[in-house]
Amino acid sequence: KQEVTQIPAALSVPEGENLVLNCSFTDSAIYNLQWFRQDPGKGLTSLLLIQSSQREQTSGRLNASLDKSSGRSTLYIAASQPGDSATYLCAVKGYSTLTFGKGTMLLVSP
Amino acid sequence: NAGVTQTPKFRVLKTGQSMTLLCAQDMNHEYMYWYRQDPGMGLRLIHYSVGEGTTAKGEVPDGYNVSRLKKQNFLLGLESAAPSQTSVYFCASRPDPRVVNTEAFFGQGTRLTVV
Repeated sequence: KQEVTQIPAALSVPEGENLVLNCSFTDSAIYNLQWFRQDPGKGLTSLLLIQSSQREQTSGRLNASLDKSSGRSTLYIAASQPGDSATYLCAVKGYSTLTFGKGTMLLVSP
Repeated sequence: NAGVTQTPKFRVLKTGQSMTLLCAQDMNHEYMYWYRQDPGMGLRLIHYSVGEGTTAKGEVPDGYNVSRLKKQNFLLGLESAAPSQTSVYFCASRPDPRVVNTEAFFGQGTRLTVV
């Protein structure tokens, strides 16, 4: 059974800092990994999809890396802004499974 | 370009009442999922389907039933609602990764309160 862990559970930083969110998974037989953002009381917004054959994927200030063999992915956010405050979720996809971590709650203060 | 649509968006039920949540996708995806999200628990899988006419249990299936009579629709039923089923429910769909290995899409959520 796939288990996904996200560390830290919560993070508070001042505006402008670069930060790293971590996602680890127990079964390396994955098709891809997707990072989502969720604002309070809202749905999930897809940020980045990284395929199992890829090492990195970038979108604007976001960069996701994947090390499938060690079961780890990181989401790097450059020059954080108050608007980045949200919960960040990683979802790991196997053949039919779609397993989530519990998320990292990020607060960026002005 | 609807994507994944959940109906209804909000609902209040009395204990013991029944209801059905509808998830509809227009992307011809094979796989569909129902999750519940509770504070501090993340998204937990209730049931999922890998194709029309097939369903399987997830992590927290008790008290729920599902059906996938048509490929585009995945229904989640609560036969006798309990306060413990108060939650936000999300539906997701994705294509068969052996055919198209792309992202999963989510509905906007259904906020259910059982009193």
